[in-house]
Amino acid sequence: DVKVTQSSRYLVKRTGEKVFLECVQDMDHENMFWYRQDPGLGLRLIYFSYDVKMKEKGDIPEGYSVSREKKERFSLILESASTNQTSMYLCASTAPGQLYGYTFGSGTRLTVV
Amino acid sequence: RKEVEQDPGPFNVPEGATVAFNCTYSNSASQSFFWYRQDCRKEPKLLMSVYSSGNEDGRFTAQLNRASQYISLLIRDSKLSDSATYLCVVGGGRRALTFGSGTRLQVQP
Repeated sequence: DVKVTQSSRYLVKRTGEKVFLECVQDMDHENMFWYRQDPGLGLRLIYFSYDVKMKEKGDIPEGYSVSREKKERFSLILESASTNQTSMYLCASTAPGQLYGYTFGSGTRLTVV
Repeated sequence: RKEVEQDPGPFNVPEGATVAFNCTYSNSASQSFFWYRQDCRKEPKLLMSVYSSGNEDGRFTAQLNRASQYISLLIRDSKLSDSATYLCVVGGGRRALTFGSGTRLQVQP
């Protein structure tokens, strides 16, 4: 089974801090994604990457950046955390073609105070 | 208009009931379709893919109507363990999937 691991399950950070959320997958998948999930809004795509050092903006990239230096690792960076970035962050990966859907990590619940 | 729309529910049904969820999508170029299940405070997990000819997996049946751009999920003989949020998911046009906001199902004893 594909395993997608997110480094933290719960995280509390202060406004203005730089925050790193890490995601690692073990199935050699090319495609990796970061979503945030909020009540009533569903999952919204922040950034995705289809190859090492490649990235594309999703629907809500403002206030975020990403890094993909190795195929198995995709990091989400909150440059200066704000309270409106309090959310559940979900990382996912898939092989090319989307035909098999995603496998998600267990999520990081981030609270910015 | 949202790209993928679902009735948020909740759908409250007794054990053993049959329940159906619908979902509409706006991008006619969409090519891949899925239903995901998400339990409270957990990550979404793939329930089933949806194929043009319709497909069944045990008590679950998924249908796709490309002409009307909607997808359905039918659950027969509902179990308490089916209580969850069901996410309609659509792909195509870009390299990332688009998720609906989900329909909450509560199966009651």
